[in-house]
Parts: sequence; C-alpha cells; structure tokens
Amino acid sequence: AQTVTQSQPEMSVQEAETVTLSCTYDTSESDYYLFWYKQPPSRQMILVIRQEAYKQQNATENRFSVNFQKAAKSFSLKISDSQLGDAAMYFCAYRSEGSNYKLTFGKGTLLTVNP
Amino acid sequence: GAVVSQHPSWVICKSGTSVKIECRSLDFQATTMFWYRQFPKQSLMLMATSNEGSKATYEQGVEKDKFLINHASLTLSTLTVTSAHPEDSSFYICSATGAGNTEAFFGQGTRLTVV
Repeated sequence: AQTVTQSQPEMSVQEAETVTLSCTYDTSESDYYLFWYKQPPSRQMILVIRQEAYKQQNATENRFSVNFQKAAKSFSLKISDSQLGDAAMYFCAYRSEGSNYKLTFGKGTLLTVNP
Repeated sequence: GAVVSQHPSWVICKSGTSVKIECRSLDFQATTMFWYRQFPKQSLMLMATSNEGSKATYEQGVEKDKFLINHASLTLSTLTVTSAHPEDSSFYICSATGAGNTEAFFGQGTRLTVV
C-alpha cells in the first residue's frame, strides 16, 4: 500500500517570504499522480497543484510550484510571496494511475503566515 | 473546476437517531464518489468508495451497517449515519469524479454533532 509522509506538522512564514512544505511517499508503482490540497479554516478542500509522475517538468501554478524528485519519492511544495490567505492546512496526496481516483493523504502541515 | 455540493453543512442530532448527508455533483456526472471522515486537526480518512449503481466499497474498520452509502444516480450519493452516538461526531467530506476528470472534486463538508 502507498503511504504519504509529511514530516512538518507546523510551519510558519513571514508575509511576502517563501516557504517550502515537504512530502515524501512510498510506492512501487511507476505511474501515479501527486497533489497538494489546501484546507483553510472553512475546511473546504482546494486543489493547489497536481503533478503527473510521467512528467519530468515540475508543475507550477502562479505562486505555487513543486519540486518533484521521482527517484527520491519526494514532492515538496514551494509557496512564493506568501500571503495571509495562504494560511491553511496543506495536505499532500497520492493517487495511483488506475485507482479510480482514490487518494491517500499525508497527515498535513499547518501553515501560519505572519504579517 | 467542477462543483460538488454537500448538504447539510452542519447538523446536530440526538443519540440513537439517524442522519443523512447528501453529496451532489452539480455540473458533471459523478461515476465515483468518496466519503471521508476528518477528526479535528487530523487528515482525511477514507471511509468508502461508491460507484453509481453499485454497492459501496468500505475501507477496513468502517462499519457498513452503521454508515450506509447509496449512490443511486450519477449526481447524488448519500451517507446515512444510523443510530448515531457521540463518538460519531466528526467532519464528513465527500468528493466526486467522473469520466474525463483528472481529479476528484470536494464538497464543503458536514459537521455532525451527536448529543
């Protein structure tokens, strides 16, 4: 079974600074998807960014980018120019290629943004 | 992205009663829906996967007679917590996906409190 590990229960960053959230995963599969979800206090799950394992290029979405290291099974999220609205719980998630969209989540990292 | 609506947003029920939570896909046909449970400051725990027209597949340790899941149409899945007890109090989240989607979309969640 796949596992997803987020080793940072909490992180903090100053507004306008950059922060990196870590995620590692364990799998024997070669084809899969990785995701970062944001869960603000409203608790609505919001997709931040997605990475297909077959793509070597790291995904980016505006201020959010990932560092995907397939051999190391690492998938970190970098948030640039942090904003107060970025404060939330961030979950890393794994999905197998043919898993019917079943997600395996990490335990999450609570990000605080200081003004 | 596609819209998934979950209802109610919160519910309080008496111990021993049953409560139904609805999950609707508003603008796409959801062939697969997922139900998660989330305890405070914890990650999402998958309870079951439901495919339209089929019986739900429950994760290990989830009581299928306690958490009844019905996915009778391509736009609606329901989770019924039967004979609810205070320990069933939690945040329940659904997600849905369908043909052509590369991701699953989440509902807003339902906070259940059993008194």
